[in-house]
Amino acid sequence: NAGVTQTPKFQVLKTGQSMTLQCAQDMNHNSMYWYRQDPGMGLRLIYYSASEGTTDKGEVPNGYNVSRLNKREFSLRLESAAPSQTSVYFCASSQRGSRSYEQYFGPGTRLTVT
Amino acid sequence: RKEVEQDPGPFNVPEGATVAFNCTYSNSASQSFFWYRQDCRKEPKLLMSVYSSGNEDGRFTAQLNRASQYISLLIRDSKLSDSATYLCVGLSGNTGKLIFGQGTTLQVKP
Repeated sequence: NAGVTQTPKFQVLKTGQSMTLQCAQDMNHNSMYWYRQDPGMGLRLIYYSASEGTTDKGEVPNGYNVSRLNKREFSLRLESAAPSQTSVYFCASSQRGSRSYEQYFGPGTRLTVT
Repeated sequence: RKEVEQDPGPFNVPEGATVAFNCTYSNSASQSFFWYRQDCRKEPKLLMSVYSSGNEDGRFTAQLNRASQYISLLIRDSKLSDSATYLCVGLSGNTGKLIFGQGTTLQVKP
């Protein structure tokens, strides 16, 4: 099993450009999450999807949109990138109701907006 | 006040040392707790869950003190491979979402 995969691994955007970060999991998990990680801030939840067909805002949703395409895939879109969105983005999945609430993370996308 | 707070460190210790990290939490992040480990430029991975009675996994011991609202992680006989950032994580009972502390960096030196 690949676990959680993310593409791309690195991306440089100019201010105002748009892009979509892709995430897929092969563990048949119901829940998926998008986080951003900035120095000194820890991981902050952008959006999550508790189950296929549902999405909800997290702590820092402004400037982002998401799509839960099917049970496996959860994408994050930046419509008009800003320098403040320079960050490392992690996708994660979990099986809510499981014993540990363990979230499995993808390797991350390092995004720079100039 | 942040919902989960940690001292960012870094903690620099020699191999073989015992080191302890603390983490404090607010009521919103108080259903369950976990420690995640994150290596440099890698994704976080679950290290261990934290149970009310305290729990041990090899050289690692986690404790929860609900009265004082803090969680601790003790690492005995530190190895070079323990060098990483340790994330204290709470589960919000209201939302079911994980709330991450900013992490504590540990450097184990020969």
